[in-house]
Amino acid sequence: SQQGEEDPQALSIQEGENATMNCSYKTSINNLQWYRQNSGRGLVHLILIRSNEREKHSGRLRVTLDTSKKSSSLLITASRAADTASYFCATDGGYGGSQGNLIFGKGTKLSVKP
Amino acid sequence: NAGVTQTPKFRVLKTGQSMTLLCAQDMNHEYMYWYRQDPGMGLRLIHYSVGEGTTAKGEVPDGYNVSRLKKQNFLLGLESAAPSQTSVYFCASSYSMAGVYNEQFFGPGTRLTVL
Repeated sequence: SQQGEEDPQALSIQEGENATMNCSYKTSINNLQWYRQNSGRGLVHLILIRSNEREKHSGRLRVTLDTSKKSSSLLITASRAADTASYFCATDGGYGGSQGNLIFGKGTKLSVKP
Repeated sequence: NAGVTQTPKFRVLKTGQSMTLLCAQDMNHEYMYWYRQDPGMGLRLIHYSVGEGTTAKGEVPDGYNVSRLKKQNFLLGLESAAPSQTSVYFCASSYSMAGVYNEQFFGPGTRLTVL
């Protein structure tokens, strides 16, 4: 079963615009992570935000976490064609307890047109 | 550092055949994971390991077995392949510090087709 659900499923924007993706989850978490996957490749870690953090930045990426609403958002500013990829949120889901296992959403497919 | 590597990259099997997927990491990570990804889906956890000699079931373990005889290697076996196991398989590794878990590092994936 999937814990995280990304919204929207697909997003198409022009280069230079900002892209915002949202993630909702169901149970309490220790951390929430965002990953990027280029077509046919493995996942690359972007940002990890812990449950006691509300906002985190990394370059053009900004992640927020609202544990009361069980939701997170990923903002990519000044997007580039190279940002075209699928973006997944993942929460520590607890298969076997708190052992770092992640549950992934189905992802948001971002297309940035030059 | 190579990070996480997976072999093979592609494989085609006939129903009933067996095979082993190999994952290797050179980061001395304690934790290793096997996922499968089906079209339009996120990753689903098959099996995981929290250390050498230990393995545990994830969300979708049926039809798969794993072994972690060495810390750096995590093997995924299919004893009798079925078409439903056609998927892309990803291995990942991770670490913890002072009991706090961190990000996972992924391999490039193995694309498996079962005819």
